[in-house]
Amino acid sequence: KQEVTQIPAALSVPEGENLVLNCSFTDSAIYNLQWFRQDPGKGLTSLLLIQSSQREQTSGRLNASLDKSSGRSTLYIAASQPGDSATYLCAVIRGSTLGRLYFGRGTQLTVWP
Amino acid sequence: DAGVIQSPRHEVTEMGQEVTLRCKPISGHNSLFWYRQTMMRGLELLIYFNNNVPIDDSGMPEDRFSAKMPNASFSTLKIQPSEPRDSAVYFCASTSTGDEQFFGPGTRLTVL
Repeated sequence: KQEVTQIPAALSVPEGENLVLNCSFTDSAIYNLQWFRQDPGKGLTSLLLIQSSQREQTSGRLNASLDKSSGRSTLYIAASQPGDSATYLCAVIRGSTLGRLYFGRGTQLTVWP
Repeated sequence: DAGVIQSPRHEVTEMGQEVTLRCKPISGHNSLFWYRQTMMRGLELLIYFNNNVPIDDSGMPEDRFSAKMPNASFSTLKIQPSEPRDSAVYFCASTSTGDEQFFGPGTRLTVL
């Protein structure tokens, strides 16, 4: 069974800091990995998708990396802003169960002005 | 595209009543997923369909839960009878198999 762990569970930083959110998974046979953002009381918004053959993906101030062999992914947020405050979720699809996402519990990020 | 559409957005019902949640996936997507999110357990996959066929329903908690996908543009999740412990946010998501999943806004269910 695929287990996904996210560290830290919560993070509070001042505006402008560069951040790293961590995600680890137990089964390295993944098909792809997806990072989501969830605002309080809202649905999930997809941020980045990394295919298993890729090492990283970038979108604006966000950069996600993937190391399959070590079972890790990181989400890097540059120059954080109060609007980045949300819960960030990591999810993986195993190669043998195409379509099924296995989620971590998320990192709750607060960026204060 | 309007994205994944779910209805209702909020549902308050009494224990024992039947609840039906609805989902319209993104046009062209061939996989549809139902998730449940609670503080205690986080996000859990309940069931998913590929080309309208249920592939994995191992996450469906009990026989009180059932899901259907009669065509490529519509799915329902039914709870009968509902219980207070079913209170949660239920999300529907869709994708072209293996690609980026897109989530609906969710249905917040409260069972009194």
